[in-house]
Amino acid sequence: DAGVTQSPTHLIKTRGQHVTLRCSPISGHKSVSWYQQVLGQGPQFIFQYYEKEERGRGNFPDRFSARQFPNYSSELNVNALLLGDSALYLCASSLGTSGYNEQFFGPGTRLTVL
Amino acid sequence: RKEVEQDPGPFNVPEGATVAFNCTYSNSASQSFFWYRQDCRKEPKLLMSVYSSGNEDGRFTAQLNRASQYISLLIRDSKLSDSATYLCVVNEVGANDYKLSFGAGTTVTVRA
Repeated sequence: DAGVTQSPTHLIKTRGQHVTLRCSPISGHKSVSWYQQVLGQGPQFIFQYYEKEERGRGNFPDRFSARQFPNYSSELNVNALLLGDSALYLCASSLGTSGYNEQFFGPGTRLTVL
Repeated sequence: RKEVEQDPGPFNVPEGATVAFNCTYSNSASQSFFWYRQDCRKEPKLLMSVYSSGNEDGRFTAQLNRASQYISLLIRDSKLSDSATYLCVVNEVGANDYKLSFGAGTTVTVRA
């Protein structure tokens, strides 16, 4: 079975630009979460979506937004990129919203902002 | 104060050794706890969930101390393949929802 897939794998942008990252969850998983991982740190929670609705939001500015589509895939959008947005962006899917569910992570999108 | 704090290590141990490390969490209402493993430049993968009574999975043993708000992981008979960063993860919301907080990770290097 296919795991969580993310695209693109790498991306280079300049300050002020906009970026869209994509994620396809494991088949049957309805919950998708997004995380930002800066080098040397653990992943930081950005958003959780379940059944196309936002269920949780981390401490990130409004430049970050996301949505989930009817097929449960998801997009993360970041506007007005800053140098500090350079990070590995991870998407994770799980069966539902229970905090006991295992999170399955995709390989991530490595974003570099110049 | 960070929600989840871990000793960053690195723990450099010989094959066959036992290594143990802790993580502490700040939210006493946290509901579920996990250890994830992350290899260099790879995505995190679930190593084990942590239950109140403590649990064991092969060479790995996890303990939860709610009173002191810490979680531990012990690796027995270390293998070279155990070299990785171990992330302590705490679910800060209820059982029917989640906001996962990750520690910065503890790096373990097992040498031959």
